[in-house]
Amino acid sequence: EVQLVESGGGLVQPGGSLRLSCAASGFTFSAYWMSWVRQTPGKGLEWVANIKQDGSEKYYVDSVKGRFTISRDNAKNSLFLQINSLRAEDTAVYYCARDRSWFGDLRKKWFDPWGQGTLVTVSS
Amino acid sequence: DIQMTQSPSSLSAFVGDRLTITCRASQSINSYLNWYQQKPGKAPKVLIYAASTLQSGVPSRFSGSGSGTDFTLTIDSLQPEDFATYHCQQTYTTPGTFGQGTKVEVK
Repeated sequence: EVQLVESGGGLVQPGGSLRLSCAASGFTFSAYWMSWVRQTPGKGLEWVANIKQDGSEKYYVDSVKGRFTISRDNAKNSLFLQINSLRAEDTAVYYCARDRSWFGDLRKKWFDPWGQGTLVTVSS
Repeated sequence: DIQMTQSPSSLSAFVGDRLTITCRASQSINSYLNWYQQKPGKAPKVLIYAASTLQSGVPSRFSGSGSGTDFTLTIDSLQPEDFATYHCQQTYTTPGTFGQGTKVEVK
């Protein structure tokens, strides 16, 4: 069974840091781009970052550039998100997701599956 | 960033109803549009990608159509397990932005 399990969320003060992890199983992790997506009640779903199979390319939404770092360890089938300088607006459920795409058309892509999510709460 | 607007934001329906949810993009996105279903406390699950391709395992009562800026998700004969929130997402540009969601509730 293809499965993604996140961990590492919690309550953190503004300006603090957290490292989120995502353990993958049931598929060849090193063969896929991977993403982090977050969800807040107010803003809905927001793609945060993604990373190429070998980690050589990484992309971020503008609002997290310079504060968040995505990484992966293919030997351990794990995806990570280091989040620094946390702000109240970073409060969200963070999901990891496998990127699927249509061969020959990288715009034809979707997320499947998603993990169950981990809650990050930024508050003093 | 491309803005995605779903309508309605919420609706009430009976089991057996035919339902249509609309998603409009702020600029043309060709057919790079996905639909996800999300149940309370759960992660989203892809239903349709590339505007009209049904994900494997998804019931055929779900269908998607549209191109350019206007897209629809249709559910034929709504089932009890279909009461959920539905999200559209464009992947024409990065970041792949989502609509605000449409909550489908029991009437």
